[in-house]
Amino acid sequence: GAVVSQHPSWVICKSGTSVKIECRSLDFQATTMFWYRQFPKQSLMLMATSNEGSKATYEQGVEKDKFLINHASLTLSTLTVTSAHPEDSSFYICSARDWDRGNTGELFFGEGSRLTVL
Amino acid sequence: SQQGEEDPQALSIQEGENATMNCSYKTSINNLQWYRQNSGRGLVHLILIRSNEREKHSGRLRVTLDTSKKSSSLLITASRAADTASYFCATVRGRDDKIIFGKGTRLHILP
Repeated sequence: GAVVSQHPSWVICKSGTSVKIECRSLDFQATTMFWYRQFPKQSLMLMATSNEGSKATYEQGVEKDKFLINHASLTLSTLTVTSAHPEDSSFYICSARDWDRGNTGELFFGEGSRLTVL
Repeated sequence: SQQGEEDPQALSIQEGENATMNCSYKTSINNLQWYRQNSGRGLVHLILIRSNEREKHSGRLRVTLDTSKKSSSLLITASRAADTASYFCATVRGRDDKIIFGKGTRLHILP
């Protein structure tokens, strides 16, 4: 299947700092990528949809100024958690669909980034 | 909001037994997907079943879909310790084609 790479896999930062997480599609072009957030033992919550060359669309209740998304190329989307606070500590996962090669729209996921804000 | 609801939330069985997880959803769907997540990792797509299909098999996995009841089940036969993971069903949100996940079932295979 298609490969999505996410970096860093874990990061610890101080309150008030900003953290950038990268998501790359390694062997396909992704005009759209999705960012999810997951709390321990809970499901994935869709945060926003990253659109190449245009603004991201955010789910209701997700602060766009807090979670900045940039999708500058067909293979890279970034999520920046700005002025991070302890409540932002979570597992962030990106994903993308590969509509080529006969795929049927399933999502391919990165390995996730665990953010801990002290 | 979550589209799907899985039950049970947690399931522990002995290795070799079959594991069955269920998923209910609320709106019309084109397809339903099942994913697996090992602890602290990303999700891996397991199987997709279309709305006009009633049953699908892939190796030790068997998925059923009942669109009249808006429910699906995932059966893992002859479970192995390596099957220990969380399993999520996912459906496509109609208004914007986004994939929304259920709450998941945490499966633990006892040796």
